[in-house]
Amino acid sequence: NAGVTQTPKFRILKIGQSMTLQCTQDMNHNYMYWYRQDPGMGLKLIYYSVGAGITDKGEVPNGYNVSRSTTEDFPLRLELAAPSQTSVYFCASSGPGLAGGELHTGELFFGEGSRLTVL
Amino acid sequence: GQNIDQPTEMTATEGAIVQINCTYQTSGFNGLFWYQQHAGEAPTFLSYNVLDGLEEKGRFSSFLSRSKGYSYLLLKELQMKDSASYLCAVMDSNYQLIWGAGTKLIIKP
Repeated sequence: NAGVTQTPKFRILKIGQSMTLQCTQDMNHNYMYWYRQDPGMGLKLIYYSVGAGITDKGEVPNGYNVSRSTTEDFPLRLELAAPSQTSVYFCASSGPGLAGGELHTGELFFGEGSRLTVL
Repeated sequence: GQNIDQPTEMTATEGAIVQINCTYQTSGFNGLFWYQQHAGEAPTFLSYNVLDGLEEKGRFSSFLSRSKGYSYLLLKELQMKDSASYLCAVMDSNYQLIWGAGTKLIIKP
């Protein structure tokens, strides 16, 4: 089983460039998330989605955009990359959610991570 | 504000027992989670507590006291492969996960 797949695993960007981190899951999960993890810090939520067509800002959304056109895919777009966006990015999914009448358990399934460096 | 505190680093000996503490102050509470993260890898789910008490799962146990805003993860019969960071996370009233910075556990032979 593939689970959560995110690409690329590594990327170096120049300041001002743009790129998209891809994330797809094959578990039919409603909830999907993008986190960033900086050294010595906890995971910070960038954006999340509770289902196709619905996205919401997390704790640190500035400089990023997302879309959720399908249940499976949740790409993260970086516009005008800045050194402050140097980090490890994790995509995650979980399900089912409150809308389905079942309590969101919070068990997240993570992708392998994408290490992004902005120079 | 919301806050989760856990020690930055701990060291223990192979075969021993270690307890990793986590204290939290959050807007509401809908459960506390422990995740394990090996260096360079993604976090993986270890345990979930929503009621007070101890949950045991093999060599790992997790305890919760909601009145004290406190949890611990207990690891028994430590093995070298247990060297990792252990992340405490609390689900708040909006069902959002608030993460601690993690505790790096170093196991020595």
